[in-house]
Order: sequence, then structure tokens, then C-alpha cells
Amino acid sequence: EIVMTQSPATLSVSPGERATLSCRASQSVSSNLVWYQQKPGQAPRLLIYDASTRATGIPARFSGSGSGTEFTLTISSLQSEDFAVYYCQQYTTWPYTFGQGTKLEIK
Amino acid sequence: EVQLVESGGGLVKPGGSLRLSCAASGFTVSNAWMQWARQAPGKGLEWVGRIKSKTDGGTTDYTAPVKGRFTISRDDSKNTLYLQMNSLQSEDTAVYYCNTFLHETKNAYWGQGTLVTVSS
Repeated sequence: EIVMTQSPATLSVSPGERATLSCRASQSVSSNLVWYQQKPGQAPRLLIYDASTRATGIPARFSGSGSGTEFTLTISSLQSEDFAVYYCQQYTTWPYTFGQGTKLEIK
Repeated sequence: EVQLVESGGGLVKPGGSLRLSCAASGFTVSNAWMQWARQAPGKGLEWVGRIKSKTDGGTTDYTAPVKGRFTISRDDSKNTLYLQMNSLQSEDTAVYYCNTFLHETKNAYWGQGTLVTVSS
């Protein structure tokens, strides 16, 4: 199965600053990658699909890039509601696999 | 409005069985690829299995930890997805979510989750 590795495990950023989260696949997943945001006690929320397309209703400050094995989620100017755990997930091959998550915390 | 509502979770003894339901509204379950995922307490997300749409054959796939023990099915008349879980183990303790991605709305939809606790 394809292993997804996210870095860093925890990222401390101040509100208003930019956050950059990384995700690496153990083999190419083309652009078949999504990013989810999850807050405590809530279901995951889809942010990005096809590596770079924002899901419906997602603010423009969220952007995704990359293809193959290296991917990035960028949040351009952090708002208070953006502090959460972020997961990448590939869907090029079953079993789909998630990364272990990056916790974005307030600095 | 698209909505998924899971039910059926609870406390079960090791070796026991449980059936989870996921009632869908706002779209037709048989026309969508539906998945189950789970999240153990304090841990990350893990896929359990999927069922393809009727037009794509309606076949199912599972991940290794649950293969042979869990079965995904759907009842088209009730627009509901199911997850039958047998031979439950403590490692199956988790919140279970049903979910789908709808191309029509370009969005993914997840239920609120239902907690399954396997303990003696």
C-alpha cells in the first residue's frame, strides 16, 4: 500500500501568518490527493481535491499544489478557525491511505 | 441538502457483532461510491472499505485489518448504507464515519460518526 508521510507533525504559527504543510507519497499518486481539516469532535472537512482544486465553499486562502509524490497545502493568512489537524489522503490506488496528520497550533 | 447520519454504534464484547447504518438524504446512495472510515480515540483516520456505485458494478473493497470480518452493503429502497462488523476486537474501537464524494457538487460529505467500543 502507498504510505503517506506528513511533515511536520506539529506546526506553530501566529494568526495572520502563512502556514505550509507537506505530504509525501511512497510512490506516485499523480494528482489523486485530497486535504482534509479536522477539528476536535468533528468529522473531517474536505478542503482540496485533485491536489489543487478547492472544494465548494472553501476560502481562497487555502491552496494545494504538487503532483507525483510531493504535495503542499498552504494557508496564506491564518485565521483563528484554521487551527486544527490536517490530513492528506491519496485515492489513486485502493486501499486509500491517509497521512498521520499535521496539527496546526497557535503560536 | 446532502446529509449522512450514522447509527448503530455502542459497546460490544470482543468476538461480538454490530451493524452500523448510514442514512443518506439529498442524493441516491446507489449512484455514488460510498466509503466507511474510522478513527480510534486520539488517533488518525483510517479507511475501512468502500462500495462502488451500481453503474460501476457495486463491488466492495476492504482494508487488510477488516477484510473477512466486515461487510459493506446498501439498501436502495431505504437509501441507506450498512457496515456489518463481525468478530470484533479491541483494535476496532473507534468512531466510524460513512462518507462520499459527489462530483455534482464537487464536495465530500461525512456523517457525524458513531462510536463503537469493543471491551469486555
